[in-house]
Amino acid sequence: GENVEQHPSTLSVQEGDSAVIKCTYSDSASNYFPWYKQELGKRPQLIIDIRSNVGEKKDQRIAVTLNKTAKHFSLHITETQPEDSAVYFCAASSNDYKLSFGAGTTVTVRA
Amino acid sequence: DAMVIQNPRYQVTQFGKPVTLSCSQTLNHNVMYWYQQKSSQAPKLLFHYYDKDFNNEADTPDNFQSRRPNTSFCFLDIRSPGLGDAAMYLCATSSNLAGERNEQFFGPGTRLTVL
Repeated sequence: GENVEQHPSTLSVQEGDSAVIKCTYSDSASNYFPWYKQELGKRPQLIIDIRSNVGEKKDQRIAVTLNKTAKHFSLHITETQPEDSAVYFCAASSNDYKLSFGAGTTVTVRA
Repeated sequence: DAMVIQNPRYQVTQFGKPVTLSCSQTLNHNVMYWYQQKSSQAPKLLFHYYDKDFNNEADTPDNFQSRRPNTSFCFLDIRSPGLGDAAMYLCATSSNLAGERNEQFFGPGTRLTVL
């Protein structure tokens, strides 16, 4: 089955700086890559996703890049704010619905 | 608002006492999932229903069962909870119909405590 590795496990950034989280996947058939944000005690929520026919996608301060050849994808958050502090999970799917999650990255934005 | 609802939000049970967690959705999604999430870990898929078809993950213990009586409702039954089953249980839904986005929508979760 699919194996998704996520790094780093924790990330502390100064407010206003950028944060980058990287994930690799093992199944070359994977074609859907969502990112979820989970605030403390709350449900995971989708923040951005990308499909394998696209190399990059941006939504305001958040962007995701995908390198299919290398089988890795990354989340970029620019101009970080305190409300960006949360756990971020990457995921991959090869059948369009069942997700394999990475282990998560705890992001702390220092004011 | 269309949403995924889980009840109860907090459940306390005794070691070995059966417990049922419920999930309902107003999104009319055809796929429903149950995840177990322990502290500081990723959600772990226990099983999912694709329409009426039940799909168990290979490493899900027999102690966990599920029922989906209709499109809107799905239940998680833990037959004999152990201390290791204390966790947050998340229900999620998605639509796998052609042309639909594959986003999974999560419920708020049920926090299970086993005494």
